[in-house]
Amino acid sequence: GNSVTQMEGPVTLSEEAFLTINCTYTATGYPSLFWYVQYPGEGLQLLLKATKADDKGSNKGFEATYRKETTSFHLEKGSVQVSDSAVYFCAIQTGANNLFFGTGTRLTVIP
Amino acid sequence: DVKVTQSSRYLVKRTGEKVFLECVQDMDHENMFWYRQDPGLGLRLIYFSYDVKMKEKGDIPEGYSVSREKKERFSLILESASTNQTSMYLCATSRTASSYNSPLHFGNGTRLTVT
Repeated sequence: GNSVTQMEGPVTLSEEAFLTINCTYTATGYPSLFWYVQYPGEGLQLLLKATKADDKGSNKGFEATYRKETTSFHLEKGSVQVSDSAVYFCAIQTGANNLFFGTGTRLTVIP
Repeated sequence: DVKVTQSSRYLVKRTGEKVFLECVQDMDHENMFWYRQDPGLGLRLIYFSYDVKMKEKGDIPEGYSVSREKKERFSLILESASTNQTSMYLCATSRTASSYNSPLHFGNGTRLTVT
């Protein structure tokens, strides 16, 4: 079956610290991979995506690389800011209407 | 930019009431979705629609129904609200029915409390 496992939170970091949020998946076929972010009081919005093996998605200083051999899509940022405080969701898509989300990781960045 | 508008940010309803959650999008997307979001469970798909008057059950359709009479509007209906339906409800859209890498565009959510 298809599923996503991501690092449980909450994660608390100081400003300018390095961030990694782990995400692994199981899927039939070759899924597209996504990270969505949910800021307080808002819906989810796409942060970055990768559609094939070894692709690197990047946006707003965040990066994630599609690792087929380890079925992973870990989210990283070199220097987090207070404004990055949010809930981050890893997701895989195996078909037009087959999208599977992880349970979300809450990040809090303190000044 | 795609705009997905959910009619209410907060709703409080009584057990047994019929509840309508409305979602409108302005970008002519074919696909529309309703999710509920609960702590520790992530997002769970309730129903989706890939065309007007078409609907498909998601993972947790029990206690819900949907209506899509126009392409831009997708309504979620709780026929008889119960306390276990207290949750955050998120509407989402995506561009085409044939693409597997079209990202979702979400509304800001409706937090429903059933007392």
